[in-house]
Amino acid sequence: NAGVMQNPRHLVRRRGQEARLRCSPMKGHSHVYWYRQLPEEGLKFMVYLQKENIIDESGMPKERFSAEFPKEGPSILRIQQVVRGDSAAYFCASSPYPGLADEQFFGPGTRLTVL
Amino acid sequence: AQKITQTQPGMFVQEKEAVTLDCTYDTSDPSYGLFWYKQPSSGEMIFLIYQGSYDQQNATEGRYSLNFQKARKSANLVISASQLGDSAMYFCAMREGESGAGSYQLTFGKGTKLSVIP
Repeated sequence: NAGVMQNPRHLVRRRGQEARLRCSPMKGHSHVYWYRQLPEEGLKFMVYLQKENIIDESGMPKERFSAEFPKEGPSILRIQQVVRGDSAAYFCASSPYPGLADEQFFGPGTRLTVL
Repeated sequence: AQKITQTQPGMFVQEKEAVTLDCTYDTSDPSYGLFWYKQPSSGEMIFLIYQGSYDQQNATEGRYSLNFQKARKSANLVISASQLGDSAMYFCAMREGESGAGSYQLTFGKGTKLSVIP
């Protein structure tokens, strides 16, 4: 049973380019969370999605960032016109239910470097 | 105010000894869950242990136990018989029940870097 998959594992972009980060949740999981980890920091919540719906995007920057989780295919976190401050590790987590005690299973992360 | 506070940026422990990593939390929610994750140098997040706010007993998972003191709002992780492979960053996280608007997002502390000395 494959775990949460994220690709690419490493992504290098120049300032002003777009970054697309993909997350395939575990089989049977329809709840996806995106977190960002800046250097020397803990993870910070960005967005929570269910299939075809954004449920909570309270942690997303208002501009340049968007997320989707289509009916078919992986969840995508899209960052337009990247800046150096976007350099971070981006983690996706999935769960079968959004319950209080339900474990979120994390992917290996995508390390974004903006030159 | 920070919701999760980990006051130890770095800790050292001798191999085979026990170590306690501190975590205090802040919430007005009566229903919440506390999690500990391990992040080795390879970067992945590994779930270790969970404690619910209504759980009467401290959680245990193998060499990991959680010292849950609800009145003090602390949820310290105890690792017994440390191994070299325990060297990693350790993050405490909380999920709030009633005020989380149903998203049950995790709020993380800044982490503690544990180094196990042979």
